[in-house]
This record gives sequence, C-alpha cells and structure tokens, in this order.
Amino acid sequence: QQQVKQSPQSLIVQKGGISIINCAYENTAFDYFPWYQQFPGKGPALLIAIRPDVSEKKEGRFTISFNKSAKQFSLHIMDSQPGDSATYFCAAYFSGTYKYIFGTGTRLKVLA
Amino acid sequence: NAGVTQTPKFRILKIGQSMTLQCTQDMNHNYMYWYRQDPGMGLKLIYYSVGAGITDKGEVPNGYNVSRSTTEDFPLRLELAAPSQTSVYFCASRGPAEQGSGGYTFGSGTRLTVV
Repeated sequence: QQQVKQSPQSLIVQKGGISIINCAYENTAFDYFPWYQQFPGKGPALLIAIRPDVSEKKEGRFTISFNKSAKQFSLHIMDSQPGDSATYFCAAYFSGTYKYIFGTGTRLKVLA
Repeated sequence: NAGVTQTPKFRILKIGQSMTLQCTQDMNHNYMYWYRQDPGMGLKLIYYSVGAGITDKGEVPNGYNVSRSTTEDFPLRLELAAPSQTSVYFCASRGPAEQGSGGYTFGSGTRLTVV
C-alpha cells in the first residue's frame, strides 16, 4: 500500500514530441504528489507538484494530470527538448509521515 | 545559500571498513533524510530525522546509523562496509511547510563503492 508504481522505465522521444510518464498508487491517504527531475551526477530537484483536489496543474511545458478515482497521476512534457533528457521520479506523501514514497524513476532521452 | 552539502563526493571502501558520510544544510530545516539510489531501483529511504535529537528508520536501515545533534548536520555512518552498500547516497532536507509541500532539497550525492 505504500508503493508508487512508475512506468515506463525508459522513454525515447523526438524533439518537439510529447513525453508521458505514469504513476499509480494504492494508499488513498496520500495527499501530495510531486515530480522530481534528476540530471546525471546531480541530486533530484523538485519540478512540479499537485494535490488530489486538483485534476491538472501546468507549469510551462510541464503538466501533471491527476485521476483520483483511478489512483493515477502522470507527467506530460510538451514540446520535449534535448535539455529535458534526465531521470524523472514521481512521489507521494501523506501528512504525518514526514517522508515521500518515490517511484522507481523513468529515464527520458529526447533526440535532437 | 549553499543548500544541502554532502561530502565526500566519491569514496572507495574496502569490505569491513567504516566511514561517515557528511550532510549539512543551512536552511534551518527540521526534516532531514538519507536515501540510497541504485540503478533501476529508485530512491530508498535509509533514515530520517524530524529534528535535532530525533531519528527514525526508513525502508533499508540495516548496516547504517545516524545521529542528529544539531539542526544543520545529519551524518550517516556505515559500519563494516559490504559490497551491497555500493550505491549513490543522497541527503535531503525539507522545511516545515504544511502537508509536505515545498518538496525536498537534495544534496549532490556521494558515490560509494565497496570492494
């Protein structure tokens, strides 16, 4: 119940295309869902986050779609660029636990 | 601001040796965490702390110890290093925002190899 399942493990997209990464969870107590971006040799950095009372959040080319009934959320990267090539982690949190549960990560490569 | 600083960046240990991975943050964050990252396995929580003097185990605490004597520092101790502890270790901190918002600030990691 504490797991967050992330797919795909790796993704190759052409420049200008849409990258889509999916995550699913079981525990309905989760109340905050962030996405992290990690470049090689660096620590993960917060990219965008959403709460379950909102179905979509957009920041620039990055959008989170949230489906509460299906217990799924996804990251969409519009107009993907080679500079977006990185590993992306979804995560989930519920108040009182003090810690996030991370997905296993998706390695994205955007071809020039 | 330096954020979260980890030292060393790289280290090679022999089996059975011990070492301490250092982590310090200058954001006055109460919450601090140690994760290990293995290829294809995501981030696994080793230990965490909700404030000075308070620590608790995460998912994979065996073979590790922590202490939190100050708000700024959260060192991770490896006793009797084993090849299974070869990994990249990340320290992170988080402020007191409600309901987990604000996210973690991660350090740049320590790449440890045990041979």
